[in-house]
Amino acid sequence: SAVISQKPSRDICQRGTSLTIQCQVDSQVTMMFWYRQQPGQSLTLIATANQGSEATYESGFVIDKFPISRPNLTFSTLTVSNMSPEDSSIYLCSVVGGGYEAFFGQGTRLTVV
Amino acid sequence: AQSVTQLDSHVSVSEGTPVLLRCNYSSSYSPSLFWYVQHPNKGLQLLLKYTSAATLVKGINGFEAEFKKSETSFHLTKPSAHMSDAAEYFCVVSDNRDDKIIFGKGTRLHILP
Repeated sequence: SAVISQKPSRDICQRGTSLTIQCQVDSQVTMMFWYRQQPGQSLTLIATANQGSEATYESGFVIDKFPISRPNLTFSTLTVSNMSPEDSSIYLCSVVGGGYEAFFGQGTRLTVV
Repeated sequence: AQSVTQLDSHVSVSEGTPVLLRCNYSSSYSPSLFWYVQHPNKGLQLLLKYTSAATLVKGINGFEAEFKKSETSFHLTKPSAHMSDAAEYFCVVSDNRDDKIIFGKGTRLHILP
């Protein structure tokens, strides 16, 4: 199993500003994943963060809006840039364990006002 | 590319009656399949997983699921519903090549007294 620490757990931000979410894993992993869960919705994969290369973004998500860093094998950040109320969501980071199941951070509940 | 379809957005059953939550998947490779549960304002919890071993998988809280390759299905069942089972359930697929995990849209399970 993997233990993931994610912070902040929640934040209220002004529109037009940016928020950086941090994710720390207790073991080295090749790939980390960032998801968004909008209110009442399922999880949508934003991007895959590989150490040593640029993140791979899913359709509908772009690097300018959601820049990702992956400086080492245990840490990643996701920035939500130039926020609008539509960005209000829960953001989660995830890693996949040896049994292929996903482990998730506690999530960051973002409210944009 | 893999995808997963949860056929019902809402399911209502009476307490003590069987539960069936339906899931169909698509994967170009041998998939791993999972069911996760999310209680209101809580994190995601893994219920059970299939990773190419026994096709009938038993999970926590009395849930089980059967992998049927011919039908590309992985339906979740429980013989007798309990009020505490009321939650959102997500069927999840991974094709094990890139560890990318894709969530279904979720099924909200309502338990009637």
